[in-house]
Amino acid sequence: ELKVEQNPLFLSMQEGKNYTIYCNYSTTSDRLYWYRQDPGKSLESLFVLLSNGAVKQEGRLMASLDTKARLSTLHITAAVHDLSATYFCAVSYGGSQGNLIFGKGTKLSVKP
Amino acid sequence: DAGVIQSPRHEVTEMGQEVTLRCKPISGHDYLFWYRQTMMRGLELLIYFNNNVPIDDSGMPEDRFSAKMPNASFSTLKIQPSEPRDSAVYFCASSPSGIGLIQYFGAGTRLSVL
Repeated sequence: ELKVEQNPLFLSMQEGKNYTIYCNYSTTSDRLYWYRQDPGKSLESLFVLLSNGAVKQEGRLMASLDTKARLSTLHITAAVHDLSATYFCAVSYGGSQGNLIFGKGTKLSVKP
Repeated sequence: DAGVIQSPRHEVTEMGQEVTLRCKPISGHDYLFWYRQTMMRGLELLIYFNNNVPIDDSGMPEDRFSAKMPNASFSTLKIQPSEPRDSAVYFCASSPSGIGLIQYFGAGTRLSVL
């Protein structure tokens, strides 16, 4: 059974600081996604990572994937308040488009 | 495109009543997914369809839950009878075919069963 673990689950940081969210998964997968969810809102796609060593960046967020270590990271550079949200990683399994397992999410709070 | 459209946005019902949640996927998307989100269990896949055919319903918690997709532009998730432990936010998502393509989520239906 595929398990996806994120840490930390809660993260409070000051504006301007850097931090990394980690996503570990337990079995081989060919796709990993990062989503953002604002309170009371839907999930918004941030990144999809398809291969070992893949790195994608959008603004202050950068995601990477190490399939050998079964680890993805979401790095936040010079955080701003607008980045406050819950971030989920999701991993596919079974070779099917449909089977995504989500992590518990990391609730990020950026304070001035 | 209007995105994935779910209705209703909020539903409050009493235990034992039938509840029907509705979803209109993005036009042209071949896949449709139903998820449930709770504080305790996080985000769980309930069922998904490909070209209107249910592919995997192993996440459906009990026989009280059923889902249909009569055509490419409409799906329902029904709970009958509803129970308080069904209270959650239910999301519908759709995706085009192909490896690595993103699932686009609707706004969700917040269900409260009293």
